[in-house]
Amino acid sequence: GAVVSQHPSWVICKSGTSVKIECRSLDFQATTMFWYRQFPKQSLMLMATSNEGSKATYEQGVEKDKFLINHASLTLSTLTVTSAHPEDSSFYICSAPGTGANYGYTFGSGTRLTVV
Amino acid sequence: QKEVEQNSGPLSVPEGAIASLNCTYSDRGSQSFFWYRQYSGKSPELIMFIYSNGDKEDGRFTAQLNKASQYVSLLIRDSQPSDSATYLCAVNAPNDYKLSFGAGTTVTVRA
Repeated sequence: GAVVSQHPSWVICKSGTSVKIECRSLDFQATTMFWYRQFPKQSLMLMATSNEGSKATYEQGVEKDKFLINHASLTLSTLTVTSAHPEDSSFYICSAPGTGANYGYTFGSGTRLTVV
Repeated sequence: QKEVEQNSGPLSVPEGAIASLNCTYSDRGSQSFFWYRQYSGKSPELIMFIYSNGDKEDGRFTAQLNKASQYVSLLIRDSQPSDSATYLCAVNAPNDYKLSFGAGTTVTVRA
């Protein structure tokens, strides 16, 4: 149980375009979804926390107008990287907290974004 | 001071040996502690969590928690080449769902 499906697994886009990343909780309701970014050989950096039906909470230094987060339902959270630039190239991962037997945080499989 | 600190790697151990990973945290009120394994290019996968002082064993893995010392460790017994990965320690902030991650320790198991 507690599976988070993340798509796409990788994407290459041109500088200036926007990219949407989706995370779906398949067998549970994710009222909260965390979005992380990970640069090579670095740890996960929390970008924002999305809550179903309300605005996302962004960490300090993360541009909310650049990284648009939508959590319109209990099973779907999306991250849109707007006007992407090469420095946005990174590994983006979503994560949802589990409960009960699935205690712990389930991660999506990650999205490798390359902006050229 | 970083919230979560892990012993710097890389850690190289021979196959069959015990790999010992350490983690300290700064917030004394932290409640839950997690160990994740991350293979290169993949997302983290949960190995185990612990929230009570003492040891918790799951197969070849043992997590140890000492809240007084603000210290949590992970032992990997009978290390296998497939255990070669980066191990992330994560701590749950009090009254918050957020996780704080350490920088990770890369483990290499030599065949």
